[in-house]
Amino acid sequence: GAVVSQHPSWVICKSGTSVKIECRSLDFQATTMFWYRQFPKQSLMLMATSNEGSKATYEQGVEKDKFLINHASLTLSTLTVTSAHPEDSSFYICSASRGDLVGNSPLHFGNGTRLTVT
Amino acid sequence: ELKVEQNPLFLSMQEGKNYTIYCNYSTTSDRLYWYRQDPGKSLESLFVLLSNGAVKQEGRLMASLDTKARLSTLHITAAVHDLSATYFCAVDQGSFGNEKLTFGTGTRLTIIP
Repeated sequence: GAVVSQHPSWVICKSGTSVKIECRSLDFQATTMFWYRQFPKQSLMLMATSNEGSKATYEQGVEKDKFLINHASLTLSTLTVTSAHPEDSSFYICSASRGDLVGNSPLHFGNGTRLTVT
Repeated sequence: ELKVEQNPLFLSMQEGKNYTIYCNYSTTSDRLYWYRQDPGKSLESLFVLLSNGAVKQEGRLMASLDTKARLSTLHITAAVHDLSATYFCAVDQGSFGNEKLTFGTGTRLTIIP
């Protein structure tokens, strides 16, 4: 089946530095990818929709200059957390849409990235 | 703004018992998904429900959708310990290739031996 690879699985960084998270669809082309953030014991909140070859669409309240999204190819989207602060510590999950329904969801989720900012 | 609420938020049940998790949403949609999340892990797809009256079953889990009531249920039959996880419903207001998911609040299920 379809697989979405997210890297790294976890990262610890110092406050003020930037962190890049990669999301790759391994066996299908994804014109649309999504980035979610999940705080401990909470639900997933959509941060932005990433479209190949165009600017990402950010949800209300998400700072586009802080969370830089690049979707340069049909198989890769990246999320860069710039000037990270402790409050950015969270679990970030990407998903990729293959444009049709395969199995039990049209979306395939990465394994998530645990970001800890010290 | 779409709101998706699950009930209960926490559920502790004994093995062998039956129970139902409810997912209510505030605006019209006929596309709803159920996911499972284990601690520290990402989401595992369970069910996709695409029409009013849809019912899907897999093992001890059965999901249904009533679009008129804006309600989906996830029923657990004869629970076993390995079903312990957090379960999320998600309402899709988009279309395939242009999904727009709003996740429910989640239900943390603990099965007690």
